[in-house]
Amino acid sequence: GAGVSQSPSNKVTEKGKDVELRCDPISGHTALYWYRQSLGQGLEFLIYFQGNSAPDKSGLPSDRFSAERTGGSVSTLTIQRTQQEDSAVYLCASSLGVLVAGDTQYFGPGTRLTVL
Amino acid sequence: AQSVAQPEDQVNVAEGNPLTVKCTYSVSGNPYLFWYVQYPNRGLQFLLKYITGDNLVKGSYGFEAEFNKSQTSFHLKKPSALVSDSALYFCAVRGQDTDKLIFGTGTRLQVFP
Repeated sequence: GAGVSQSPSNKVTEKGKDVELRCDPISGHTALYWYRQSLGQGLEFLIYFQGNSAPDKSGLPSDRFSAERTGGSVSTLTIQRTQQEDSAVYLCASSLGVLVAGDTQYFGPGTRLTVL
Repeated sequence: AQSVAQPEDQVNVAEGNPLTVKCTYSVSGNPYLFWYVQYPNRGLQFLLKYITGDNLVKGSYGFEAEFNKSQTSFHLKKPSALVSDSALYFCAVRGQDTDKLIFGTGTRLQVFP
């Protein structure tokens, strides 16, 4: 079956531009997560969506970052006025739902963002 | 607060030898524990998880992990390493009363022929 997909796979942009990163979760998964993985670093939680509940935005590093999830499926992570420190791999994951015991997150291949 | 520690940045092992990648955790109550693997330029792939029951969990590609409650550990093991096992391995934990998965910093496994 289809896994989590992300687009684009690579994005190069200039400092100050806005970028949008897309995530298509596994069909039927109600939970969706965004993480950031900087060079040589672990995974930094950004935001997650659970069904129709208000998203947990506690990991967003600044107000330049926002995300939405339309129709409980596709999600878009938007970074406004990009900075060089935003360069990283942005990973999306989905899962059946956090209320499921031992809920497992499945990851997409990531979007590598380079801000020049 | 939840936390995960992977004390080794890198583990080197010869092909055919057993391997261990260490993970310790801190969480309130009973934990859900996970191992993921990341190959170069790829996303994370789920390897195995512990929810409850048998302390020895078997997963993909011949990997297994042992849950040790008294030592709060969940070390990843494989009896005979392959060169193709070389990758970055992440341990993660979630408490039963929380909804966030906390990841360790990762351990790079290098298997030499």
